[in-house]
Amino acid sequence: QVQLQESGPGLVKPSQTLSLTCTVSGGSISSGSYYWSWIRQPAGKGLEWIGRIYTSGSTNYNPSLKSRVTISVDTSKNQFSLKLSSVTAADTAVYYCARGGGRPFDPWGQGTLVTVSS
Amino acid sequence: QSALTQPRSVSGSPGQSVTISCTGTSSDVGGYNYVSWYQQHPGKAPKLMIYDVSKRPSGVPDRFSGSKSGNTASLTISGLQAEDEADYYCCSYAGSPLFGGGTKLTVL
Repeated sequence: QVQLQESGPGLVKPSQTLSLTCTVSGGSISSGSYYWSWIRQPAGKGLEWIGRIYTSGSTNYNPSLKSRVTISVDTSKNQFSLKLSSVTAADTAVYYCARGGGRPFDPWGQGTLVTVSS
Repeated sequence: QSALTQPRSVSGSPGQSVTISCTGTSSDVGGYNYVSWYQQHPGKAPKLMIYDVSKRPSGVPDRFSGSKSGNTASLTISGLQAEDEADYYCCSYAGSPLFGGGTKLTVL
């Protein structure tokens, strides 16, 4: 079955760009009609959808983050990536990747904690 | 878009039933049959429990059921078990996904 795994730096300095990659295993990221999403969760708080990408490269972003988010896909590596620019402490969270665009999300990666601090 | 409204906490004893509500608007919960529910244990990733309002993925016990009336969706867990203690999140698709604030279920 499909599995997802997030990777990237666990510490990012304020004003810099957060970069994460999600590697998909157990199936091709290009097979099926799926979106691939990023979702985050600050400690002790709820889930926030960041954005999604279709395998064609078409993207949709949360309006509250749209100006700072870029999601891309590399089908040759079976990966998709997240870039979040101009980060602040408010962007400290566990970041999850998931298959789906919200109808629904399944499965999810295990999550990776990103801390924004100098 | 504002987050969907869920009770912050609910509780029940083993064997009992509990229902968690998720209230939105006619633009999200009421307008689409794309409500999903996720279970999250501490330190773990969310797990899909219900999708398309009332459908259960393979492997999810039939003790979990979903429904919707108007702008409010509900997750009902019958025959509560200790392992059901977790946080539960609803999600509605309104052009883009929107999550509820989460509900902590305590099994007494």
